[in-house]
Amino acid sequence: AQKVTQAQTEISVVEKEDVTLDCVYETRDTTYYLFWYKQPPSGELVFLIRRNSFDEQNEISGRYSWNFQKSTSSFNFTITASQVVDSAVYFCALSERGTGANNLFFGTGTRLTVIP
Amino acid sequence: EADIYQTPRYLVIGTGKKITLECSQTMGHDKMYWYQQDPGMELHLIHYSYGVNSTEKGDLSSESTVSRIRTEHFPLTLESARPSHTSQYLCASGRDRVDNEQFFGPGTRLTVL
Repeated sequence: AQKVTQAQTEISVVEKEDVTLDCVYETRDTTYYLFWYKQPPSGELVFLIRRNSFDEQNEISGRYSWNFQKSTSSFNFTITASQVVDSAVYFCALSERGTGANNLFFGTGTRLTVIP
Repeated sequence: EADIYQTPRYLVIGTGKKITLECSQTMGHDKMYWYQQDPGMELHLIHYSYGVNSTEKGDLSSESTVSRIRTEHFPLTLESARPSHTSQYLCASGRDRVDNEQFFGPGTRLTVL
């Protein structure tokens, strides 16, 4: 079963628009961790944020904000006033403490294109 | 900021060649990983290591092999490359933490003709 679902395969927005990237996860663990990574055209995955399951406080970092809701198993990512440099593929990922494994379960990614 | 390096960044080779993709990290991380990324973006874990002399296969079956003789080095080898091996290969490393946070290298884009 897919543990992380990013239903939006591709999104295009015009510069300065706000955009929200959805992430829905599935786990039976009570302790887990959620991540967002950005993959620009250069190819590397850049770490953006980590949240643990006990901290539902939303977070804001500049134009980026994250909305973590355990009730809906979602960890959505919003970019405010998008810029061309935000164009990238964004991955949501889940790590479960209870499995003992050392995997990050990645979603299939959302390709964001910001049009100037 | 992560210090993890991959070489080469781009490689085009013919079928049947043996190749080794290099991955090194200078952070002293015990855990290292190799992912294969489809053109359609999805990431698949193919190998990982908990430390020196530890290697495990990931979720996606791969004909590649890995070794971990030194903490900082986790090379991936294909004995006989085929066009089906054409992909982006991403290396990552992380500390021994419960959250399994990983830092990624820039990737190697491999094309097998």
